[in-house]
Amino acid sequence: RKEVEQDPGPFNVPEGATVAFNCTYSNSASQSFFWYRQDCRKEPKLLMSVYSSGNEDGRFTAQLNRASQYISLLIRDSKLSDSATYLCVVNMKTDRGSTLGRLYFGRGTQLTVWP
Amino acid sequence: DAGITQSPRHKVTETGTPVTLRCHQTENHRYMYWYRQDPGHGLRLIHYSYGVKDTDKGEVSDGYSVSRSKTEDFLLTLESATSSQTSVYFCAISESHGGGQTFGPGTRLLVL
Repeated sequence: RKEVEQDPGPFNVPEGATVAFNCTYSNSASQSFFWYRQDCRKEPKLLMSVYSSGNEDGRFTAQLNRASQYISLLIRDSKLSDSATYLCVVNMKTDRGSTLGRLYFGRGTQLTVWP
Repeated sequence: DAGITQSPRHKVTETGTPVTLRCHQTENHRYMYWYRQDPGHGLRLIHYSYGVKDTDKGEVSDGYSVSRSKTEDFLLTLESATSSQTSVYFCAISESHGGGQTFGPGTRLLVL
């Protein structure tokens, strides 16, 4: 099982729509969680961290369900500029004996918002 | 945006030649990372550094070596490039290992 799994999409939605992405992770001891966005042929950029109680940043809401090892990202009132690939990222301990955790990236969910 | 640059931004090389990619940061962050990104695989960690001269392997380290002689520079070397190393390479930095990372603009490498 891959450490972080996402539905690759693509999701094609009209402007103004609400869209939700989901992500599952394999290690129940994971401590930190993030959503990144990546535009075509660009580097990934941190969109938001995900906190246990859930958090919101404008039109974006992130939720974490530790019991189900599940993370979600909700985008309300979609804009054309939201078109990108969204990466789910989880901090997990490595499986090689290191005490340091590191980030594992999902393969991303592609979103296209059309006018 | 964080000060992180990569050079070169594009490179075409031939199989069997050595290649060195450079990552430079002006943020004085302790941790630096090299990833490769390929269709169908997402981002995969090659090597990372947790301080000057302190490095460790990631999940796809075979065929790659790294060096960090200064806080601001992290070099990735392909000792003898192969076509399977054709990819987009991203450098990233962070203040804590496992915290959010800031990525450089990437290097597109084509090995013929």
